[in-house]
Amino acid sequence: EAGVVQSPRYKIIEKKQPVAFWCNPISGHNTLYWYRQNLGQGPELLIRYENEEAVDDSQLPKDRFSAERLKGVDSTLKIQPAELGDSAVYLCASSFLTGSYGYTFGSGTRLTVV
Amino acid sequence: QKEVEQNSGPLSVPEGAIASLNCTYSDRVSQSFFWYRQYSGKSPELIMSIYSNGDKEDGRFTAQLNKASQYVSLLIRDSQPSDSATYLCAVGNQGGKLIFGQGTELSVKP
Repeated sequence: EAGVVQSPRYKIIEKKQPVAFWCNPISGHNTLYWYRQNLGQGPELLIRYENEEAVDDSQLPKDRFSAERLKGVDSTLKIQPAELGDSAVYLCASSFLTGSYGYTFGSGTRLTVV
Repeated sequence: QKEVEQNSGPLSVPEGAIASLNCTYSDRVSQSFFWYRQYSGKSPELIMSIYSNGDKEDGRFTAQLNKASQYVSLLIRDSQPSDSATYLCAVGNQGGKLIFGQGTELSVKP
């Protein structure tokens, strides 16, 4: 079984530039999560999807962040424009049931904003 | 008060010793509890889950849950240098959202 696939692995951009991250969940996992992990901290939820519906986006900074999950499979997280404080690892995870049995994380995208 | 709290460490133990990692949580109605291991530069990996009070053992790992005290722990017996990592406690709420602690860094010295 293929795991959660994320790309790119690393991204370095200048502030005020846009950036996008892509995630392909494990086949059959209807729930998809985007988390952000700052250095030395635990992951923090940005948005959770049930199929194609965003059911929890309360922590997503909507002025600059957007996400979509077309057809309830792949998902894209976008930041526009990026700020220095957005430097972090962006983790995608998926689960078969709504997190009841834990998540499987992808390898993450390490974003550096300079 | 943070929703999930862990000692940030680092916790240093000699090889072969028992490592004890602790976690407290604030939401009394939490239903599910997880321990993730995260090696430096890698993503979190689920190693233990526990849903009811008591102990759950899996190899060298034992998770302990006390809902009355809102306390979760992870014991690692016969610690190995390969166990050196950050251990994240995660608590699931009724909506299926996992809330993570800040992690405890464990260092096992040969």
